[in-house]
This record gives sequence, structure tokens and C-alpha cells, in this order.
Amino acid sequence: GEDVEQSLFLSVREGDSSVINCTYTDSSSTYLYWYKQEPGAGLQLLTYIFSNMDMKQDQRLTVLLNKKDKHLSLRIADTQTGDSAIYFCAETITSGTYKYIFGTGTRLKVLA
Amino acid sequence: EAQVTQNPRYLITVTGKKLTVTCSQNMNHEYMSWYRQDPGLGLRQIYYSMNVEVTDKGDVPEGYKVSRKEKRNFPLILESPSPNQTSLYFCASSLVGQDPLTNYGYTFGSGTRLTVV
Repeated sequence: GEDVEQSLFLSVREGDSSVINCTYTDSSSTYLYWYKQEPGAGLQLLTYIFSNMDMKQDQRLTVLLNKKDKHLSLRIADTQTGDSAIYFCAETITSGTYKYIFGTGTRLKVLA
Repeated sequence: EAQVTQNPRYLITVTGKKLTVTCSQNMNHEYMSWYRQDPGLGLRQIYYSMNVEVTDKGDVPEGYKVSRKEKRNFPLILESPSPNQTSLYFCASSLVGQDPLTNYGYTFGSGTRLTVV
């Protein structure tokens, strides 16, 4: 079956690195995404990685993909209070169908 | 500006009174979708559409209808709303494809907070 799992909460101190983890079950995922949701707002696409890549870096964000373990992580370097939000992992499955699957979201709290 | 526009942002209605939440995108995206977000349950897909006149049920379609008569619009219809449909609703759109160099991520609307009393 298709499932994406994330831990619910993460708390870090300002200036530290945050690592948000995600596991997925469907090996036919084509793309994996990280979205950010700030309070009272919609989801905003942060970054994405194609399934044949292992790593993608974009400024303070680093995405690591371990296809063997079906594990995706998002590392935020030098975490700031403005990074406090809910982070959603998602995958797109394009074999036989075209479907997005979202995780339940990880609430990141950055302590000053 | 590339965007997905949902209306209204907030809506309070009574049980059984038909309502429509509108969604429009200006990016010529093929794929459009409706989600509801509830505490502890994350995002659950209600309906999606791969293109004009093509719609399919998501994970929680009961009590909802959609239509896709034009590429840019994808309204969500609640024929007879009930209190268990009180939720935060999001419309989203994206391109469709498998090119590794293309971004197929969603653009989300700002959300519609619906309360059914």
C-alpha cells in the first residue's frame, strides 16, 4: 500500500541544524517533495528531488534520499525562528496512475 | 503572478444548505486537486482531475462533488453539508509529467475554512 510517515514534532534551538525525516512505502515514487505550512497559510513547495537522485542542496536546505530504505530527510542549516512551521513530505506515484501522497506533517518549533 | 485562488477564505453555513467553493489557477496546469486538512490527520485528498472533463475520487470523496469544465477552474460542491465536513480545505494544481528537470510540485491556494453548524 501507499503510505508516507513522519514524526509529529521536532524542537531545536535557533542556530542549530534541524533534520526532519520521512519514510515512504511505494517504491514506484517518481518525485519526492518537502512542503512548508506556516500558521494560517497554505502549503508552500520548498524543494523536490527526482527519484534517481541521492541528494539535492538549495541554500540552507539539503534533501537526502535513500531509495533502498525508502527514507527521505530534510536538513535545515542554521535554523531560524522563521523556520517554525509544519513540514510535509510527499511523493508522486506515476506508474499506472498519477497520485500525490502526503505525510501527516512534522511540526518544527525553533527555540530562541 | 502565478497562483491558485480559492474563495471564500471563511464560510459558516448550516446543515443541508448547498455550497460551492471555487478554485481557479492561472498557470495552465493540467492537474487539480482538493484536499481537506484536519488536526492529526494531515492532508486527505477528496477529488482530483487530470484534465478537462476528467475527474477521479481521492481518499475521502463522500459528500463532495467536483467538475472540470474548463482547465483553469475546479469548483468543490457540497450538496448537503454536514457538521463532519467542518474542516480546512485546500485546492492545488500542478503540471503532469516525468521530466527530471521539471518541477511538478503543487501550487496551493490559501485555504477555505468551512464550519457547518
